[in-house]
Amino acid sequence: TQLLEQSPQFLSIQEGENLTVYCNSSSVFSSLQWYRQEPGEGPVLLVTVVTGGEVKKLKRLTFQFGDARKDSSLHITAAQPGDTGLYLCAGARSGGSNYKLTFGKGTLLTVNP
Amino acid sequence: NAGVTQTPKFQVLKTGQSMTLQCAQDMNHEYMSWYRQDPGMGLRLIHYSVGAGITDQGEVPNGYNVSRSTTEDFPLRLLSAAPSQTSVYFCASNSGKKPTDTQYFGPGTRLTVL
Repeated sequence: TQLLEQSPQFLSIQEGENLTVYCNSSSVFSSLQWYRQEPGEGPVLLVTVVTGGEVKKLKRLTFQFGDARKDSSLHITAAQPGDTGLYLCAGARSGGSNYKLTFGKGTLLTVNP
Repeated sequence: NAGVTQTPKFQVLKTGQSMTLQCAQDMNHEYMSWYRQDPGMGLRLIHYSVGAGITDQGEVPNGYNVSRSTTEDFPLRLLSAAPSQTSVYFCASNSGKKPTDTQYFGPGTRLTVL
């Protein structure tokens, strides 16, 4: 059972366009993280959200955690070719030290010049 | 700091062979984990460790063993490789003891089992 559903699975857009990708679950998470992974490399953490309704901004990227802490979104404004990559969300269902992260399948974003 | 290092970067095995994927971190992190990444499946947790001498199973532990004798090293052993274990394997370490702390991934090991 996939606890975290990401959509869309693939997204191809032109430079300068805006986009939103989603991470949804029927389960409540104590925290949720977004990663970007480039080909041939490991994922790199972009942001962690912990409070329901929380919004965090990282330059042109805006991350939001749902009020019920079951979903999250990533919005990119004026996408650039350097934003190309696999975007993964990951949730933790425990705040303690004995936790496990559950990853979504990812959204593969291609930004064309 | 080298961060999280993994060796080898590529490996081809025959069915039934055994091997150890190496993972090391020089950041004195207590929490380390192993994931496999398959097309269309995302990252799935194999095993994790919250400190030296302590390991636990993740989502897909069958066919894999781990041990944690030191803080720095967290090797993953394939006892008898199967084609279903063809995947990209990532080791990660966490800067703290909470899931909200930053997790650092290694560059991955690409394993093919024939």
